[in-house]
Amino acid sequence: DIVMTQSPDSLAVSLGERATINCKSSQSVLYSSNNNNYLAWYQQKPGQPPNLLIYWASTRESGVPDRFSGSGSGTDFTLTISSLQADDVAVYYCQQYYSSPHTFGQGTKLEIK
Amino acid sequence: QITLKESGPPVVKLTQTLTLTCTFSGFSLSTSGVAVGWIRQPPGKALEWLALIYWDDDKLYSSSLKSRLTITKDTSKNQVVLTMTNMDSVDTATYYCAHGMVAAVGGAFDIWGQGTMVTVSS
Repeated sequence: DIVMTQSPDSLAVSLGERATINCKSSQSVLYSSNNNNYLAWYQQKPGQPPNLLIYWASTRESGVPDRFSGSGSGTDFTLTISSLQADDVAVYYCQQYYSSPHTFGQGTKLEIK
Repeated sequence: QITLKESGPPVVKLTQTLTLTCTFSGFSLSTSGVAVGWIRQPPGKALEWLALIYWDDDKLYSSSLKSRLTITKDTSKNQVVLTMTNMDSVDTATYYCAHGMVAAVGGAFDIWGQGTMVTVSS
């Protein structure tokens, strides 16, 4: 199985500041034939199901604010929130769908400083 | 508009078999590229990917739970069923079903149900 490791486990950022969450896969999730990274990011608020933010590592889902961006390739990925809003307080998960099982990271809890 | 709803018993006893049903609308699981998956989340813990079924009936399972899981689809009823045998207290969790469109988002899940909480009791 591909192991997804996120860092940090928790993060406190001031409103308006940048938040950065990292995700590392135990093996590459880049499919060379189409040059796509099989990596997604989700946001989960308390009491709610996860919400897809980013897929193919850097493609923003429809309706997701442009302050959210994804980057990286191969085994190292980053979710960046450019200017933190109060509504962004949540737990964030990465997921690989390169190979079965399509494993999730352990989550990163984002709070306001 | 795509919606999914999970249903099943809120409580199951140790060693029993859990059967969960995902009833969906707004798409057909006979359409090329469509997939429905199951994911669970123990209280206060991380998401755990369980299983996925594709429009062509291809199925994927969690490595650690593969011997206990079965995923099936009933296209005519717009349902996906997950069974998990030999339930244990560590299986207490909220169970989600979710939709994916392979060509668009790959194996990511773009629409999720609200989840159903299952407690395993002795």
